[in-house]
Amino acid sequence: AQKVTQAQTEISVVEKEDVTLDCVYETRDTTYYLFWYKQPPSGELVFLIRRNSFDEQNEISGRYSWNFQKSTSSFNFTITASQVVDSAVYFCALSEAGKSTFGDGTTLTVKP
Amino acid sequence: GAVVSQHPSRVICKSGTSVKIECRSLDFQATTMFWYRQFPKQSLMLMATSNEGSKATYEQGVEKDKFLINHASLTLSTLTVTSAHPEDSSFYICSARDRTGLPYEQYFGPGTRLTVT
Repeated sequence: AQKVTQAQTEISVVEKEDVTLDCVYETRDTTYYLFWYKQPPSGELVFLIRRNSFDEQNEISGRYSWNFQKSTSSFNFTITASQVVDSAVYFCALSEAGKSTFGDGTTLTVKP
Repeated sequence: GAVVSQHPSRVICKSGTSVKIECRSLDFQATTMFWYRQFPKQSLMLMATSNEGSKATYEQGVEKDKFLINHASLTLSTLTVTSAHPEDSSFYICSARDRTGLPYEQYFGPGTRLTVT
């Protein structure tokens, strides 16, 4: 069975601080995909990134960066120089054979 | 990019009535669509997987007679909540897989907020 753990329920930072959201996953499959989504108060999921199990390259996109480490089954997400607009719930998800399992989400609050 | 729509975006119904939620893939064909439910401040939980032209596969604990899923075309899946009760109030989100797209890639709809009074 697949499982995604986001240990941080809530994080609060002050604008311009860097923040890292943790994600640890469990799976028996060798082929899988990992995702991060942002869910603002409107509820609509915003896709941020997808990584497949064979690609451990870290990725940077603007202020966002992701660190994928298969050795520790982790796929962490860092926001550099956070902004108030980054306030949202962030979900990490694992997809195997088309089914997605979501973590419980981390609520990020960025204060001005 | 691939767009998935849901209708309605919000619905309020009385206890005991049924409500239908539509999920459409607007610019691609989706052989598979997924239905998720999200209670306030909780995660998304997969309810069922619907494949075009066949019966839906429900996750453990989801009542198939209560949550009727129909995937009659490559662009439309519907979720009908029958005899709705207040505990069915939730945010329902669908996602669709492009049959020509990358494996495991799915596109999410904007969600439907159901309130049962």
